[in-house]
Amino acid sequence: QVQLVQSGAEVKKPGSSVKVSCKASGGTFSSYSISWVRQAPGQGLEWMGRIIPILDIPKYAQNFQGRVTITADKATSTAYMELSSLRSGDTAVYYCATGGGGRNFDYWGQGTLVTVSS
Amino acid sequence: QSVLTQPPSVSGAPGQRVTISCTGSSSNIGAGYDVHWYQQLPGTAPKLLMYGNINRPSGVPDRVSGSKSGTSASLVITGLQAEDEADYYCQSYDSSLSGSIFGGGTKLTVL
Repeated sequence: QVQLVQSGAEVKKPGSSVKVSCKASGGTFSSYSISWVRQAPGQGLEWMGRIIPILDIPKYAQNFQGRVTITADKATSTAYMELSSLRSGDTAVYYCATGGGGRNFDYWGQGTLVTVSS
Repeated sequence: QSVLTQPPSVSGAPGQRVTISCTGSSSNIGAGYDVHWYQQLPGTAPKLLMYGNINRPSGVPDRVSGSKSGTSASLVITGLQAEDEADYYCQSYDSSLSGSIFGGGTKLTVL
């Protein structure tokens, strides 16, 4: 059973960046894919990208290319998602989840609320 | 606008049956990619409800079933219970976008 624990809520100014962490326990961190999915208030789910730690090669959704960076630290079993050039429309709950690439998302983190406000 | 289309809402009385549809295209569901379903209760993370079109994870009751045909998939819940009231999302993969995609979500109301 994999558990994903995310970092706490953030409040950011427009134009700045945010970095959210996702620490995994259980399973073999390097072997599964970690995806990031966001959900704006009252809206649906949106896949942002993923990384397979053992390959250390990220893949990003077209909507976020150039603004998102996903990394993984195998030593600490922690994945990171950094989003830059923040705007009010980026206010959302950001989830990490295992899976992606056509597979389902098995396990989910608890979510991290990022609020972008001047 | 989501690549996969779901009805915004469905409803049913306790004990009844509801169907939630998920319509895609030839670059996702129609291309043979699996459809997965999630249930999201208010204020919580999504929970995997159905994977690989028809498979239930451990703990999901057998009154929940899934199917897929052509460019569409469906989630059926029979014997509706108050605890089924939630948002439901379908998910697949799109070869044109080279990434995972979600439906816009369907709010299920138990009357």
